[in-house]
Amino acid sequence: NAGVTQTPKFQVLKTGQSMTLQCAQDMNHNSMYWYRQDPGMGLRLIYYSASEGTTDKGEVPNGYNVSRLNKREFSLRLESAAPSQTSVYFCASSDPGRDYGYTFGSGTRLTVV
Amino acid sequence: RKEVEQDPGPFNVPEGATVAFNCTYSNSASQSFFWYRQDCRKEPKLLMSVYSSGNEDGRFTAQLNRASQYISLLIRDSKLSDSATYLCVVRSYGGSQGNLIFGKGTKLSVKP
Repeated sequence: NAGVTQTPKFQVLKTGQSMTLQCAQDMNHNSMYWYRQDPGMGLRLIYYSASEGTTDKGEVPNGYNVSRLNKREFSLRLESAAPSQTSVYFCASSDPGRDYGYTFGSGTRLTVV
Repeated sequence: RKEVEQDPGPFNVPEGATVAFNCTYSNSASQSFFWYRQDCRKEPKLLMSVYSSGNEDGRFTAQLNRASQYISLLIRDSKLSDSATYLCVVRSYGGSQGNLIFGKGTKLSVKP
């Protein structure tokens, strides 16, 4: 049982390049989330998807887009990367019907130069 | 006032010590409470939920005071392996946060 799988684990981009971070979960969870974590800032919610077919903005959505492809997969796209988007990105999933909190993926370390 | 506030630490303690972390939350309508643990360069992982009556899991004890909007985590007989950052987490429905609100974490370093 893999839980939440994120790819890639590491990525270096040049300013202006685009990329998509992939996330998949095999726990049949309805809700999925994308966070970024920066030193001293804690975890900040970028976008979330309460259920298949819906997405909503979180605290810091600017510069990002998301796609809930199906129940398992939730991708995060950077259309034109900026150095301010250098961060560690975590995907998470949860089943709101059970109050067990979130399960996180292992993260993607992104550097934009 | 931030929604979830924690002392960032670091807390440097010797092995075997007892250490307590505190957390306050601002939304009185918050409904669920958790402690997460995050090791360096790893993802956060659920340590334990926090129940109104307080709960214990081995060396870890969590307490909730709804009247004061205060959550605590007590670690007894600290081990080197307890070194990590501990995140206080609150579930508040509504708004743009998507339910769980994370504190910035308290760093614990247990020394031999």
